[in-house]
Amino acid sequence: DQQVKQNSPSLSVQEGRISILNCDYTNSMFDYFLWYKKYPAEGPTFLISISSIKDKNEDGRFTVFLNKSAKHLSLHIVPSQPGDSAVYFCAAGGSQGNLIFGKGTKLSVKP
Amino acid sequence: DTAVSQTPKYLVTQMGNDKSIKCEQNLGHDTMYWYKQDSKKFLKIMFSYNNKELIINETVPNRFSPKSPDKAHLNLHINSLELGDSAVYFCASSPHLAGVIDTQYFGPGTRLTVL
Repeated sequence: DQQVKQNSPSLSVQEGRISILNCDYTNSMFDYFLWYKKYPAEGPTFLISISSIKDKNEDGRFTVFLNKSAKHLSLHIVPSQPGDSAVYFCAAGGSQGNLIFGKGTKLSVKP
Repeated sequence: DTAVSQTPKYLVTQMGNDKSIKCEQNLGHDTMYWYKQDSKKFLKIMFSYNNKELIINETVPNRFSPKSPDKAHLNLHINSLELGDSAVYFCASSPHLAGVIDTQYFGPGTRLTVL
């Protein structure tokens, strides 16, 4: 039973265009959500987060949007760069501190 | 300086053996974690631990045990290794402060292969 779902296993985008990565969750008790980026043979690195009381958080080229009523969040990367090519994991957390991860979406940004 | 480090990076061993993976964090964090990423790429929590409490994911076999000699270290011991234990194991740490988003910092992973 997946509480956090990333339904697109892969996404290919042209350099300079927008990348939109999507994530759905089932548990309305999650307090916050995070996006992690992972390169091959490395651990996930934190990218951006959003509290459940907000609907948008922006950090440079990265923006996360949260739609609580739809239990959906998305990560926008504008403009996309070849160095953004990686696997992106959506994660949700609550009071216990444990993170529940999605399966990841592999983003390929083509020059 | 590496914030969260794990050793070894690769571990190949035979079924039935006992092995350990070490994890160290120099961030001064209070809480450490072990995650398993299986062949289907799911990243699942195995344990979370601070100096007060060990929380175990109930699906983790008791062959797996975390050992924390001090706040900066959380080692993972695995007894009687099985083929299904083959996976990448990630250690992570977080400050675990109440009221703020608990960002976790991950180590580079240990790829365990059981033959």
